[in-house]
Amino acid sequence: GDSVTQMEGPVTLSEEAFLTINCTYTATGYPSLFWYVQYPGEGLQLLLKATKADDKGSNKGFEATYRKETTSFHLEKGSVQVSDSAVYFCALNNNNDMRFGAGTRLTVKP
Amino acid sequence: SAVISQKPSRDICQRGTSLTIQCQVDSQVTMMFWYRQQPGQSLTLIATANQGSEATYESGFVIDKFPISRPNLTFSTLTVSNLSPEDSSIYLCSVLRQDRGYTQYFGPGTRLTVL
Repeated sequence: GDSVTQMEGPVTLSEEAFLTINCTYTATGYPSLFWYVQYPGEGLQLLLKATKADDKGSNKGFEATYRKETTSFHLEKGSVQVSDSAVYFCALNNNNDMRFGAGTRLTVKP
Repeated sequence: SAVISQKPSRDICQRGTSLTIQCQVDSQVTMMFWYRQQPGQSLTLIATANQGSEATYESGFVIDKFPISRPNLTFSTLTVSNLSPEDSSIYLCSVLRQDRGYTQYFGPGTRLTVL
């Protein structure tokens, strides 16, 4: 069945460092891809999404490009802030069947 | 997007009791979902709740333990019955919206601790 594999954490960075969290997927057809963020003590918030190949989702300085040839949707940010500390989940939706990655905990230190 | 509220936001319960979690959405939705997130883990789908029909449960989850109601298109409840410490988790309500393709939006979660 469909699945999502994302980079294991935890990831610890200094403020203003470059962030990449890798995400690859396995799916039949043409899924939509998502990144969700979960701040401490909160639910999941949609961070960005892409619905077709070569789409780039972006929000709050984060970006991810839907790469069908490599079945990837890596999350990037050029300069992280302490407030970006959270758990990040990569996910796909294929015919209303939602699959989540295991989550990657990011800690940004001042 | 969607505005989703859950009550309670957190609770501490005794073993053997039950907790009912409410989920309210700001507009009508067909599909609502209940997830469990155990400490430090990803999300596991418990069931899909469509208005006017019985909830559909995922493997490993049964109606007797997790009864769900869906009385209208903006509201659902999940009850976690006969609580044990293993039920300590965050429970999340989610809805599916048509938004440049289908997108799931999540409530803030209910943090349950069972003593």
